[in-house]
Amino acid sequence: QQQVKQSPQSLIVQKGGIPIINCAYENTAFDYFPWYQQFPGKGPALLIAIRPDVSEKKEGRFTISFNKSAKQFSLHIMDSQPGDSATYFCAASNSGYALNFGKGTSLLVTP
Amino acid sequence: DTGVSQDPRHKITKRGQNVTFRCDPISEHNRLYWYRQTLGQGPEFLTYFQNEAQLEKSRLLSDRFSAERPKGSFSTLEIQRTEQGDSAMYLCASSFPTGRTGELFFGEGSRLTVL
Repeated sequence: QQQVKQSPQSLIVQKGGIPIINCAYENTAFDYFPWYQQFPGKGPALLIAIRPDVSEKKEGRFTISFNKSAKQFSLHIMDSQPGDSATYFCAASNSGYALNFGKGTSLLVTP
Repeated sequence: DTGVSQDPRHKITKRGQNVTFRCDPISEHNRLYWYRQTLGQGPEFLTYFQNEAQLEKSRLLSDRFSAERPKGSFSTLEIQRTEQGDSAMYLCASSFPTGRTGELFFGEGSRLTVL
C-alpha cells in the first residue's frame, strides 16, 4: 500500500516557470516530510524537508507548502532552470522509522 | 570521498544464482538502510540497522533476502536464488540517529539484472 501518493507523474515547464509537485499522505503519525532529487545514475539527495509545526519552508528557489489538516504537502520550484531537470520524490516518516517515498515526478525544464 | 559507497555498481546474473551487495556508510552514521528502486518508481524500504542491530524489515524482504551489519560499520545484502523480479537498483543509505536531521544520505546504488 502506497503510504505517500505523488502527482503528477511527469511535468514539463519552460525555463523560468514554477513547477508544482503534490503529495498526500494518510498516516497522521508522520512528522517528517522531505523532498529528494534524483539525477539519472545517481542516488536520491535531500533537497528540502519540513516538519508539521510550520506551514511553509523556503530554501533558495525551493519551497515546501504543508497543509496538516488536508494531509498534503507540495514542492514549488521558483525560476526553474534546465539544470533542475530530474526526478523528484516526496517522502514521509515518523521519527525513528524509515522513509516512505512517493512514486516520483519526472521534471523536464526546457530552455 | 566520504559519502556512502556501494559495490558492485552493476551485477548481471542468471536466475537461480546468489548475489551479494556491499555498502559502506558515512563513518559517523550509525543508521544504515537498504532500499530497492525499480524503473519509474520511488525507493521502497527493505530494512534498516542501528549499529549492528536490524531493527525493521519490510514485507518486501522475502526469505531469499538477508542483510547483515556485523560490526556496525559496513553492511551486506544477499539475495539467494535470484529471480527475474529481483532486477532493480538496490540503494543503501545512512543517517545519524533519530533526533537529528533525519536526512538519509544515499549511495549511487547497485544495479542488479537477473537474466
